[in-house]
Amino acid sequence: QKEVEQNSGPLSVPEGAIASLNCTYSDRVSQSFFWYRQYSGKSPELIMSIYSNGDKEDGRFTAQLNKASQYVSLLIRDSQPSDSATYLCAVNLWGGYGGATNKLIFGTGTLLAVQP
Amino acid sequence: NAGVTQTPKFQVLKTGQSMTLQCAQDMNHNSMYWYRQDPGMGLRLIYYSASEGTTDKGEVPNGYNVSRLNKREFSLRLESAAPSQTSVYFCATNRDSRYEQYFGPGTRLTVT
Repeated sequence: QKEVEQNSGPLSVPEGAIASLNCTYSDRVSQSFFWYRQYSGKSPELIMSIYSNGDKEDGRFTAQLNKASQYVSLLIRDSQPSDSATYLCAVNLWGGYGGATNKLIFGTGTLLAVQP
Repeated sequence: NAGVTQTPKFQVLKTGQSMTLQCAQDMNHNSMYWYRQDPGMGLRLIYYSASEGTTDKGEVPNGYNVSRLNKREFSLRLESAAPSQTSVYFCATNRDSRYEQYFGPGTRLTVT
């Protein structure tokens, strides 16, 4: 089982709809969770970070974390063609007594296509 | 305020040649990282430096060496390039391990 899993897509949504991107992880005690957006040929760009259970909203983006079920999701409201990109989920592993490690594990990403 | 910069942007090497990828950050971050990204494989950690003066192996360190020159700079060296090292290389930084990482623009390397 991969440590961080995402559906590779493509996820196709019409302009103005809600895009829902999901990510599951295997490390039960992971503490830090991140969503990155990556346009083709560009570097990953941080969209959201979330550290505790529940929802975190920032503009059109909402990150949802459920540690008991080991999943984190990203909702994009009012999707725009400019949102078309690959979305990477990243999870920070927990090093036990030593605390969070420096090992951020990335999923392989979900390709989102927003149709005008 | 440039954030994270990488040089060069593109490079073509022949098998067996060596080169050094440079990364610099002006964010005053403690930790720095080198990743490679290949189609279908996602981002994989090569080496990281939790703080100035320390370096550690990541998931795929074979064939690479690193140097944390100072707090700002972290270089990645390929001593004898192989076609399997054809990839896009990203440098990233963060304040410490708990926090989000910020990425440089990447270096696209082709080894023939």
